[in-house]
Amino acid sequence: AQKITQTQPGMFVQEKEAVTLDCTYDTSDQSYGLFWYKQPSSGEMIFLIYQGSYDEQNATEGRYSLNFQKARKSANLVISASQLGDSAMYFCSLADSNYQLIWGAGTKLIIKP
Amino acid sequence: NAGVMQNPRHLVRRRGQEARLRCSPMKGHSHVYWYRQLPEEGLKFMVYLQKENIIDESGMPKERFSAEFPKEGPSILRIQQVVRGDSAAYFCASSLQGRGDGYGYTFGSGTRLTVV
Repeated sequence: AQKITQTQPGMFVQEKEAVTLDCTYDTSDQSYGLFWYKQPSSGEMIFLIYQGSYDEQNATEGRYSLNFQKARKSANLVISASQLGDSAMYFCSLADSNYQLIWGAGTKLIIKP
Repeated sequence: NAGVMQNPRHLVRRRGQEARLRCSPMKGHSHVYWYRQLPEEGLKFMVYLQKENIIDESGMPKERFSAEFPKEGPSILRIQQVVRGDSAAYFCASSLQGRGDGYGYTFGSGTRLTVV
């Protein structure tokens, strides 16, 4: 069965430091996609970055990059030069041959000034 | 180009009442998904619809919940005879294709349902 595991319920990081949010997944499909979303306290779900299973290079979007290690089934999100506005819940999700998104429990990131 | 529009943003219902949640997908998107988020949890899939068709409702509770996406107008998630356990955030997402590949699924801001 498909599964997403986010082992860090919460993290405190000093402003301007880089932060890595962990995500491991389980799927038997060969073709799948991994997503990261940000949910600020206002509640909306904001798409950050996507990695396809056949993409040879790690995805990057501005300060966000995805450290994709296929053999380990991990898709960690790296945020460089963290900002106060990065404080939010972060969710990792998986879409395989089924169109449904399977979600992790999330990591609450707090950036300290 | 407006994103996915959900309304109302907040909805309060008494036990036993009906709740209607609306979702207008992004322009050009014909695939709509509904997810539910309980407090302190990730989202859980409920239903996937295309215009006038329910493609997959495997995540929908068997009773009291229904969804539609008519030819004209928004998608509606309907909860009859609400109970306290229905209190949650309900998110709608849309995509251009059946899988939201490189550009992801576009989510609305959610409807927060509180049953009192």
